[in-house]
Amino acid sequence: GAGVSQSPSNKVTEKGKDVELRCDPISGHTALYWYRQSLGQGLEFLIYFQGNSAPDKSGLPSDRFSAERTGGSVSTLTIQRTQQEDSAVYLCASSLVGAGVSNYGYTFGSGTRLTVV
Amino acid sequence: KNQVEQSPQSLIILEGKNCTLQCNYTVSPFSNLRWYKQDTGRGPVSLTIMTFSENTKSNGRYTATLDADTKQSSLHITASQLSDSASYICVVSEALGGSQGNLIFGKGTKLSVKP
Repeated sequence: GAGVSQSPSNKVTEKGKDVELRCDPISGHTALYWYRQSLGQGLEFLIYFQGNSAPDKSGLPSDRFSAERTGGSVSTLTIQRTQQEDSAVYLCASSLVGAGVSNYGYTFGSGTRLTVV
Repeated sequence: KNQVEQSPQSLIILEGKNCTLQCNYTVSPFSNLRWYKQDTGRGPVSLTIMTFSENTKSNGRYTATLDADTKQSSLHITASQLSDSASYICVVSEALGGSQGNLIFGKGTKLSVKP
């Protein structure tokens, strides 16, 4: 597609439930990133996929968080046993190559607003 | 520790006025610096990308400057419009490959343009 697509745009879930957030990157972009943005805070890095390399999971806050990227394209971020502090906007971004080592554009999706009640 | 600090945290200006947002960073080694605009409820959208050798870059009414010696950048908005109301995020790339693309995000400046 023309941009990075995320779904759902909004998700309200009960505490303790599992949620899956989806990201469709721009076709051909090898790098994919997940970030979390809490109210009034900057973006917090979660996980980074680059091609077929092992993902950089160093930003995942706990083992309740996991992410997959199938076929080098679509990615799913899963949060198990959600807690209220997980409430945030989860943003996905993709880039033609790793954005830190090149000056290529880095395109964000509109995010999924997760509310845990 | 690599950090990106933005100021002011928030800013209110009248429509038609100019404003300047600041970004100071301690990221090293430096690769590039980006300014993003994030409308409420939307993802960030890139305004400018500058490398070490670039001192200024414009995108319409937005002009970014970079002083790599003092590790400071500014984003100047000319003749502000109501649609400029948004958060402006400064992002600095570390010149290393691999991990997380080595992007360090500032917390942003929330700009409100009033009629």
